[in-house]
Amino acid sequence: AQTVTQSQPEMSVQEAETVTLSCTYDTSESDYYLFWYKQPPSRQMILVIRQEAYKQQNATENRFSVNFQKAAKSFSLKISDSQLGDAAMYFCAYRSAVYTGNQFYFGTGTSLTVIP
Amino acid sequence: DTAVSQTPKYLVTQMGNDKSIKCEQNLGHDTMYWYKQDSKKFLKIMFSYNNKELIINETVPNRFSPKSPDKAHLNLHINSLELGDSAVYFCASSQGPTGAPNQPQHFGDGTRLSIL
Repeated sequence: AQTVTQSQPEMSVQEAETVTLSCTYDTSESDYYLFWYKQPPSRQMILVIRQEAYKQQNATENRFSVNFQKAAKSFSLKISDSQLGDAAMYFCAYRSAVYTGNQFYFGTGTSLTVIP
Repeated sequence: DTAVSQTPKYLVTQMGNDKSIKCEQNLGHDTMYWYKQDSKKFLKIMFSYNNKELIINETVPNRFSPKSPDKAHLNLHINSLELGDSAVYFCASSQGPTGAPNQPQHFGDGTRLSIL
């Protein structure tokens, strides 16, 4: 089974600064999809950004962007101009393109604190 | 319109009781899931159904019984509740492998289950 690793249980950033959350994964597949989810204290799971493995261009959504390094199996999330509302738990997720039953694999999460 | 709705949002009950959590999605997805999120925020897959058929059962005690009357609903019934069952339970849905593989899972708002 694929594994997703988030090595930073907690991170903090000053408001308006930039922070990068790391995610690595282990797979033998060549085709797959990667996602970052945000879980604020309200506990909703909100999709932040997605990346297709076949695309070399890094995905960007407003202040959120990823650094996708396929060879290194790395998928980090960069948050620019951090805002207080960015404080949340962030989960990295992997979706297999091969149907083997379970397709989604989640990391253990990174808790982001934004300091005013 | 709520895409994935689960009820109730909060459930407080005594050890030994039986309870159910309901989940419905109006996204037309053919795959639904139940996750358990513990106090450390780890998301653990419990069950997955594709077109009403069970495809994942991740070593969950048989006190937990999912039921999918149709592909838009996946309910979770728990018998003889134990203290360790206290957690947040998330329902999610996605398109299955024959659908758009780049699509993420959509989550409900979670049910916080507290066992007294």
